[in-house]
Amino acid sequence: NAGVTQTPKFQVLKTGQSMTLQCAQDMNHEYMSWYRQDPGMGLRLIHYSVGAGITDQGEVPNGYNVSRSTTEDFPLRLLSAAPSQTSVYFCASSYSQLAGGFTDTQYFGPGTRLTVL
Amino acid sequence: KQEVTQIPAALSVPEGENLVLNCSFTDSAIYNLQWFRQDPGKGLTSLLLIQSSQREQTSGRLNASLDKSSGRSTLYIAASQPGDSATYLCAVSTGANSKLTFGKGITLSVRP
Repeated sequence: NAGVTQTPKFQVLKTGQSMTLQCAQDMNHEYMSWYRQDPGMGLRLIHYSVGAGITDQGEVPNGYNVSRSTTEDFPLRLLSAAPSQTSVYFCASSYSQLAGGFTDTQYFGPGTRLTVL
Repeated sequence: KQEVTQIPAALSVPEGENLVLNCSFTDSAIYNLQWFRQDPGKGLTSLLLIQSSQREQTSGRLNASLDKSSGRSTLYIAASQPGDSATYLCAVSTGANSKLTFGKGITLSVRP
């Protein structure tokens, strides 16, 4: 298993540009999420998905869009990049048995370092 | 709103010491608590997960305990080694939807 993969590893954008950060997992996990990590702020949840076709907002969703058309993929779209979106972005996935309230270990990807000029 | 606190932010110890990393959270209604390790420039690696019904979990030299009622968890590292140098993050899940709330982490340096 490759686990959770993210592309690209690094990206530089100009203000106003758009781009999509890719995330894929091969563990058949239902739950996937996106976090951003900033110095002094820790990791904060952007968006998450509990299964294909279902997404919801996290703590800091403004400026980001997501969709989940397959179990494997959960892309994060920046519609109009701003310098405040300079950060390291992590995708995570886990098995989650929602009915029983059971959640399993979360697996993180290696991250995408994004700089917005 | 759930808040997770890890103090101190940084810790430096000589090799061989047994050490305890602390984590506290404000809302005791959690589903589980996870400890992660993050090396510089890398992603997060899960070390231990404790379900809300459990009191502790062990993996090798690591032992994590959970006291839900007091909102505390500790990560015990036995016989620390320079390879243990990393940032250790604590995170709690407060819903069946697996959303995690993270602490800011403790950066550990183990001196040879």
